[in-house]
Amino acid sequence: GAGVSQSPSNKVTEKGKDVELRCDPISGHTALYWYRQRLGQGLEFLIYFQGNSAPDKSGLPSDRFSAERTGESVSTLTIQRTQQEDSAVYLCASSLSTGTGNTIYFGEGSWLTVV
Amino acid sequence: AQSVTQLDSHVSVSEGTPVLLRCNYSSSYSPSLFWYVQHPNKGLQLLLKYTSAATLVKGINGFEAEFKKSETSFHLTKPSAHMSDAAEYFCVVSEWYGNKLVFGAGTILRVKS
Repeated sequence: GAGVSQSPSNKVTEKGKDVELRCDPISGHTALYWYRQRLGQGLEFLIYFQGNSAPDKSGLPSDRFSAERTGESVSTLTIQRTQQEDSAVYLCASSLSTGTGNTIYFGEGSWLTVV
Repeated sequence: AQSVTQLDSHVSVSEGTPVLLRCNYSSSYSPSLFWYVQHPNKGLQLLLKYTSAATLVKGINGFEAEFKKSETSFHLTKPSAHMSDAAEYFCVVSEWYGNKLVFGAGTILRVKS
């Protein structure tokens, strides 16, 4: 597609439920990134994929968070047993590769509210 | 490890006056540096990037930034602010291998008429 697409754009869920957030990167982009932005704060790195593998998962906050990517395309970020502190905007981004200077394009984010 | 410090959380300017958003970085390697802008309820948009070429980088909408290695700075400037520039601006550094972007905390720019 023309840009990075994320769904849902907004999600309200009850504490303790599981949620899945989807990201469709720009076609042909081998690198895919997930970030989280809490209200009033900067972006936190969660995980990145090169192809279907995730060399760096260091940013995942806890074992309730997981992500996968298939077909070197779509990625899903799953949050199990959601907590109120998980409320944030989850941003997906993609780039042609992970080489330095490659422009990283962001989606508009999935706004998650845990009540 | 890299880090980014945006020195002002809020900046307020009058329309038509210059804009200066300050950013200092720390990096173990030759960094790539970026400025992103985020308008309310919109996604992040790349303004400009530095990747070890010219130290003065020109971006979209009249913005530019100068990489100063001796000062470890990458300040964003614009000669004349426009109302549409009101947004949050993020200074970003990436490692030489480009795998991870480290974002500053952001600077909210307010433009007064």
